[in-house]
Amino acid sequence: QKEVEQDPGPLSVPEGAIVSLNCTYSNSAFQYFMWYRQYSRKGPELLMYTYSSGNKEDGRFTAQVDKSSKYISLFIRDSQPSDSATYLCAMKLTGGGNKLTFGTGTQLKVEL
Amino acid sequence: DTGVSQNPRHKITKRGQNVTFRCDPISEHNRLYWYRQTLGQGPEFLTYFQNEAQLEKSRLLSDRFSAERPKGSFSTLEIQRTEQGDSAMYLCASSLTGDEQFFGPGTRLTVL
Repeated sequence: QKEVEQDPGPLSVPEGAIVSLNCTYSNSAFQYFMWYRQYSRKGPELLMYTYSSGNKEDGRFTAQVDKSSKYISLFIRDSQPSDSATYLCAMKLTGGGNKLTFGTGTQLKVEL
Repeated sequence: DTGVSQNPRHKITKRGQNVTFRCDPISEHNRLYWYRQTLGQGPEFLTYFQNEAQLEKSRLLSDRFSAERPKGSFSTLEIQRTEQGDSAMYLCASSLTGDEQFFGPGTRLTVL
C-alpha cells in the first residue's frame, strides 16, 4: 500500500464547474500538506501549502485538511480550460524530515 | 526570472553512457532537492542538500548515481552506466525554510 493514495483520473468537467481533488494517506506523522499543479512536460508548480486541519483559501483554490481522517482535498471554483493539468498532492513529515511524498497525481481536463 | 533552472532540458543517451545534469536553485535558497518522476507517477525523492552537505539519500539512489553541491549553490546529478530504467524526468527543487519547495522545469532523460 502506498503512503499517499490519489485517484489518477482522468477527470473531465465542463468550464465553470467546481472541481474536487482528493488524497488519502496512511502515515499520521505527515503534518505538512501541499498541492502542486503540473502541466505536461513541465515541473510541478506549488499551488497551496498548509500544515493545520481546516480550510485555506487562495483565489479560486481552497485546500482542506482533515488529519483525523487522513484526508486532504483541493477545490477549484469556476474552473477554466487553463486549469487542465495534473494535480499532485504532497506531504512532509514533521520533526525535520525534508522529503516530499507525492501522490500519483490526478489528471484534470476542463472542457469548453 | 529567478526561479529554479535546470540544464539540459532534454538528454538522449545510449545505454552505458554517463550523463550529468545541473540545477541552479533560487538565489539564497540553502536547501536543494532532487526527485525523479516517471510517466503517470508523482515525483520520488532522491536526495537533499543543505548548503554543501548532502544530508539525506533515498535507497533509490543506487551506486551509479552521485550528486554534488560543491559550493552550496548549484548542484549536479550524475548517472554512470545508464540503463533504460533510468529514463525519467529528473526534477530539482529548492527551499529557504525546508517547508515550501519550488521546482524547476526538469531534465527529461531518454536512455536508448
